[in-house]
Amino acid sequence: AQSVTQPEDQVNVAEGNPLTVKCTYSVSGNPYLFWYVQYPNRGLQFLLKYITGDNLVKGSYGFEAEFNKSQTSFHLKKPSALVSDSALYFCAVKDSGSARQLTFGSGTQLTVLP
Amino acid sequence: DTAVSQTPKYLVTQMGNDKSIKCEQNLGHDTMYWYKQDSKKFLKIMFSYNNKELIINETVPNRFSPKSPDKAHLNLHINSLELGDSAVYFCASSIRPGPSISGANVLTFGAGSRLTVL
Repeated sequence: AQSVTQPEDQVNVAEGNPLTVKCTYSVSGNPYLFWYVQYPNRGLQFLLKYITGDNLVKGSYGFEAEFNKSQTSFHLKKPSALVSDSALYFCAVKDSGSARQLTFGSGTQLTVLP
Repeated sequence: DTAVSQTPKYLVTQMGNDKSIKCEQNLGHDTMYWYKQDSKKFLKIMFSYNNKELIINETVPNRFSPKSPDKAHLNLHINSLELGDSAVYFCASSIRPGPSISGANVLTFGAGSRLTVL
């Protein structure tokens, strides 16, 4: 079985401050981990993924995420938030040993305050 | 050019009606998907087709019938619409997933089709 948890429905941060959007996962084998972003009335857009290798993954728009196997986490981070980063963020996981498709988290609404 | 396009963008209809949503991708991808996003933004896969063949059907009622005339198109037909079918339906595509690392392919999503059943 595979599952992913985003413990925060809403994250607020001031513009210019660092931001973190949390994600933890559960898989039987090795995880493939993804972050997607959804702007209002739009489809999801891919930000970054972890498959193997370096635990720190860099993605689009200055975002990065760190894979932590011991804590089964894949938190999304950005050193300095922009108002335009305000959107809905989804973490997703796929068990590398499973034929199942991606399982998405429940989403975290990020609001960057000017 | 839009990579994954869905029509219509908005659909308002009465209970009991039958409706279709069309999806086309021009990325040359082999695999296409339908996802349902409910009012709480929860996203769940419904179907996946690989080169016109159904590979995933995630316990979706028989009222939902996907059709893939070719690998660039995946349409969703819904019979006897119910209030609970109201949602945003997203089409997506990817290159063919596999058992190895190539299975971790990135999905490209359409902009969504908002269905409202009255």
